[in-house]
Amino acid sequence: DIQLTQSPSFLSASVGDRVTITCRASQGISTYLAWYQQKAGTAPNLLISAASTLEGEVPSRFSGSGSGAEFTLTISSLQPEDFATYYCQQFNTYPWTFGQGTKVGLK
Amino acid sequence: VKLVESGGDMVQPGGSLRLSCEASGFTFNSYWMNWVRQAPGKGLEWVASIKQDADEKHYVDSVKGRFTISRDNAKNSVFLQMNNLRAEDTGVYFCVRALRRYRPAYFEYWGQGTLVTVSS
Repeated sequence: DIQLTQSPSFLSASVGDRVTITCRASQGISTYLAWYQQKAGTAPNLLISAASTLEGEVPSRFSGSGSGAEFTLTISSLQPEDFATYYCQQFNTYPWTFGQGTKVGLK
Repeated sequence: VKLVESGGDMVQPGGSLRLSCEASGFTFNSYWMNWVRQAPGKGLEWVASIKQDADEKHYVDSVKGRFTISRDNAKNSVFLQMNNLRAEDTGVYFCVRALRRYRPAYFEYWGQGTLVTVSS
């Protein structure tokens, strides 16, 4: 199985900060990677597909990059509604796997 | 697009449950459908996927031989039959639709989830 490791697992930040979350795969997955945001008590929301494609009405302050085995999710200027947990997920090989999550909290 | 799960309950170890997900607002028979679960306070785990015509199914190893995913395109519904349940199957189960027609990847629409509790 392909393991996804996110770092950090928790980060504290302030409104307006630039935030970067890394997702490393145990083997190359091309760009078959998604990022989700999940707020407490709700279902996840797809932010980015194919490593860098912003989906739906996701604000442009979110961006994704990377290919192969290392990927990043960047929030250029953190907003109050962005405090949440973020997950990466790979779609290169079954079983589809998720990273363990990164919780973004208030500093 | 709307996905509404039902069937979650408390059950004893070794018991069975059948989860249902009723879909609306899109051409159901054109999309891969999935189940994803989340144990209390934990991360997300993909459980199973089924192709639009049900001729391809995939499962995470921990549920193979115990869970069966199926669908009824006439009723716009997907199901998860869960047998021989274990404590570690406890969690919220989400019904999820893939992003694009005929492609399995990326989970765009999620239901609100249904809670399965396995406990004696």
